[in-house]
Amino acid sequence: DAKTTQPNSMESNEEEPVHLPCNHSTISGTDYIHWYRQLPSQGPEYVIHGLTSNVNNRMASLAIAEDRKSSTLILHRATLRDAAVYYCILRRAGNMLTFGGGTRLMVKP
Amino acid sequence: GAVVSQHPSWVICKSGTSVKIECRSLDFQATTMFWYRQFPKQSLMLMATSNEGSKATYEQGVEKDKFLINHASLTLSTLTVTSAHPEDSSFYICSAIPVLPNTEAFFGQGTRLTVV
Repeated sequence: DAKTTQPNSMESNEEEPVHLPCNHSTISGTDYIHWYRQLPSQGPEYVIHGLTSNVNNRMASLAIAEDRKSSTLILHRATLRDAAVYYCILRRAGNMLTFGGGTRLMVKP
Repeated sequence: GAVVSQHPSWVICKSGTSVKIECRSLDFQATTMFWYRQFPKQSLMLMATSNEGSKATYEQGVEKDKFLINHASLTLSTLTVTSAHPEDSSFYICSAIPVLPNTEAFFGQGTRLTVV
């Protein structure tokens, strides 16, 4: 599986936008970019995914670089409930998700 | 959205006993489910891929005789930790992915196993 690189941790102020980066320089043409987040003592929760085009949903936006070697998860207004570990994962259709270290997002009131 | 239910959410057992964890996809069929283990402050590690009607595929270093996986139906997979030891204490998480190719994965809420 192609690997992803994320910062170990990031801090944000409440109600400000957060940009979580992810590098995936070895991505292949069939890899989807998935983002999940995990709150303490819970299973991961789906956030968003995309292939080539930027994607928006009620939780976040996903900005994908033109060469697809990096992507950014955007939380438009961080809340305290967004404090979690965010995982950027490359997935091929039908394949399992392989988790890297993720980014621990801390949100300050 | 689709839901994956995992049971129990926590369990405490004595060393040497066996513990069964269930994972159910509530509103979709999953021919494949995945079992992960997560130690404190670490990421999820894939243990095995559970295939409906056939044997599970285990990741390197995971003992198949210790972690028994059964996927008897399209909506249920079970993980049995046999002869549990304190070092098996961990957070176990299952995942299921609908058959459609471009869909997200759904995760159970996890099971906190403590072996005393």
